[in-house]
Amino acid sequence: DIVMTQSPLSLPVTPGEPASISCRSSQSLLHSNGYNFLDWYLQKPGQSPQLLIFLGSNRASGVPDRFSGSGSGTDFTLKISRVEAEDVGVYYCMNSLRAPLSFGGGTKVEIK
Amino acid sequence: EVQLVESGGGLVQPGGSLRLSCAASGFTFSSYWMSWVRQAPGKGLEWVATIKGDGGEKYYVDSVKGRFTISRDNAKNSLYLQMDSLRAVDAAVYYCARDRIPESYGDMDVWGKGTTVIVSS
Repeated sequence: DIVMTQSPLSLPVTPGEPASISCRSSQSLLHSNGYNFLDWYLQKPGQSPQLLIFLGSNRASGVPDRFSGSGSGTDFTLKISRVEAEDVGVYYCMNSLRAPLSFGGGTKVEIK
Repeated sequence: EVQLVESGGGLVQPGGSLRLSCAASGFTFSSYWMSWVRQAPGKGLEWVATIKGDGGEKYYVDSVKGRFTISRDNAKNSLYLQMDSLRAVDAAVYYCARDRIPESYGDMDVWGKGTTVIVSS
């Protein structure tokens, strides 16, 4: 089974400043079709999770372009170019390559 | 509007059973893989199970294999999770989610608000 590890656990951020979250998988998420099967989700306080990024670097519908995903194989990064107050919540990466699907432990982003 | 609405949560004793339902609307339900994801109180997300659009493929996390059964009724646009032999560790908010494209699972782009399962004597 694929184990997902995120860092940091907690990330205090200043509005307007950039932020970055790392995610590492225990096995490569690179499919033979050339795509990395890695998703990023955001769960805002009191809400259901929402899909931010799929296939490693593709923004989901309606996601602002300040969010970007990068990486390949086993190492991935979610970047927020300029954090806004509405970006607070817990961010999760997820292996979408094969079952059992697996989430990272989460990174809590909060405003300083 | 694309929407998922879960129901069926509640309080159940250890060893008991519960059936969760998820009513889908606003999209061609039968075309999409569907999943259940849970979140224990104060914890992170855990994928539970996934089923193909025609019901022909199903996958489960190891901790629920043999106890939980995912199913669907495409005529009723509904997804189900039959949970038997419930344990305290199964207590969580259970989310129903749609997988983004019909061809594969993963990339869950539509989520319900969740239904709460409490396992306690």
